[in-house]
Amino acid sequence: DAKTTQPPSMDCAEGRAANLPCNHSTISGNEYVYWYRQIHSQGPQYIIHGLKNNETNEMASLIITEDRKSSTLILPHATLRDTAVYYCIVRVQGGSEKLVFGKGTKLTVNP
Amino acid sequence: KAGVTQTPRYLIKTRGQQVTLSCSPISGHRSVSWYQQTPGQGLQFLFEYFSETQRNKGNFPGRFSGRQFSNSRSEMNVSTLELGDSALYLCASSERGWGPYYGYTFGSGTRLTVV
Repeated sequence: DAKTTQPPSMDCAEGRAANLPCNHSTISGNEYVYWYRQIHSQGPQYIIHGLKNNETNEMASLIITEDRKSSTLILPHATLRDTAVYYCIVRVQGGSEKLVFGKGTKLTVNP
Repeated sequence: KAGVTQTPRYLIKTRGQQVTLSCSPISGHRSVSWYQQTPGQGLQFLFEYFSETQRNKGNFPGRFSGRQFSNSRSEMNVSTLELGDSALYLCASSERGWGPYYGYTFGSGTRLTVV
C-alpha cells in the first residue's frame, strides 16, 4: 500500500502557483520523498525528490516539513501543460525498492 | 539520448492467448522495471531486472513473467490472458537501481486490450 495521502483533485489558474500537498506521517528516517507526474496517456515523469531539506529545480520546488510528515510540491507558474496526475511517493534510496504509487492528485490548470 | 522505447504501442489479444511486450531502456541504463496501470488499481509494480537478474517482484500471478537480455533490453510475457489483464503496461529504466539518487525514466507504455 502507498504510504502517502494526497487530495484526489485540485484546480489552479494558469500563471498562478500550484501547491500540491502530500501527507506521509509514517515516513522513516531513511526514506526520501519523490514526486512524479503523469500526463494523459504518457508514462510518469520524474519531477523532484528530497530527504529533509527543501529542494528546487527547473520544474518545481519541494517543501518538506521539519517533522517530515508532510510535504508540498510547488509549481511556481502553472501552465495548461502542467495539467496531469501528480504522485507523491516515499521510498528508501538504495536496494531495489519499487515505486509504490498511490492514487495521486489530478491537477487541472484552467485558462 | 533516445528515451525508453516500448513496443508495440497498442495490442489487442483474445482471452487465453499469450502476449510479449518489449522495452528498450535508455542507453547505459541497466535496470528495467515494469508496471501495470488500470483504472481500478492504478499503477502497480510488476518486477525489476538488473543485469539480467530479477531483483524484485510485485504481487502478480505466475502468468506474468519477464526477462532481461545482455543488452539490457527487457521483455515481459503474460500467458493465458484474462479480460482483467487489459491495461497500460509501462516500462521504466534507470542507470543502476541503487545508491545516490538515480532517476527512473518511463516509456509511453503498451496499451493491451484483451477481448
